[in-house]
Amino acid sequence: DADVTQTPRNRITKTGKRIMLECSQTKGHDRMYWYRQDPGLGLRLIYYSFDVKDINKGEISDGYSVSRQAQAKFSLSLESAIPNQTALYFCATSDYYQETQYFGPGTRLLVL
Amino acid sequence: DAKTTQPTSMDCAEGRAANLPCNHSTISGNEYVYWYRQIHSQGPQYIIHGLKNNETNEMASLIITEDRKSSTLILPHATLRDTAVYYCIVRVSGGTSYGKLTFGQGTILTVHP
Repeated sequence: DADVTQTPRNRITKTGKRIMLECSQTKGHDRMYWYRQDPGLGLRLIYYSFDVKDINKGEISDGYSVSRQAQAKFSLSLESAIPNQTALYFCATSDYYQETQYFGPGTRLLVL
Repeated sequence: DAKTTQPTSMDCAEGRAANLPCNHSTISGNEYVYWYRQIHSQGPQYIIHGLKNNETNEMASLIITEDRKSSTLILPHATLRDTAVYYCIVRVSGGTSYGKLTFGQGTILTVHP
């Protein structure tokens, strides 16, 4: 089984809808991250969390919110989706010491 | 974090070594060099990292120049499955940093049969 899983893998939604992307990990890591990737570009950090009680904004957090329900779960929400949020979304984890990040398979989101 | 410069694309023959360069002339003494790769829209995959000594693992070798201003990732025997975008990232490590990875454009490595 994959160490970092994301659901759904693909999603099509309409402008104005609320949508949640979920990430789960079995690596036992404290730190979790959400990134987005636009075509031909590198990844950009949306939010990150050092532990269940620690949530921090990344470089492009506007229009997004997150919830860290447990050490193993980190959800990303788009409160009111807009077309320019169409992108590939990745969740990642790392531990305090190694800081190597392990990525999930990604969620491809299309906002119509 | 220091900025990195990588060639846009490179080609390599299957079975040969792939040598991917990265310039990071403004690197600070406490910054590490990390390499990740991304195979066609999959999640990025960690390859290797180092501070100043050369490093080797089961995937690759990392050669860092003595002045630390550049490095080379070496895939010793490239296969078709190594075709990917390779990202060189320089960042501070240590427990108090939040581990932000700044992904640039990377190098598109194409391995040919």
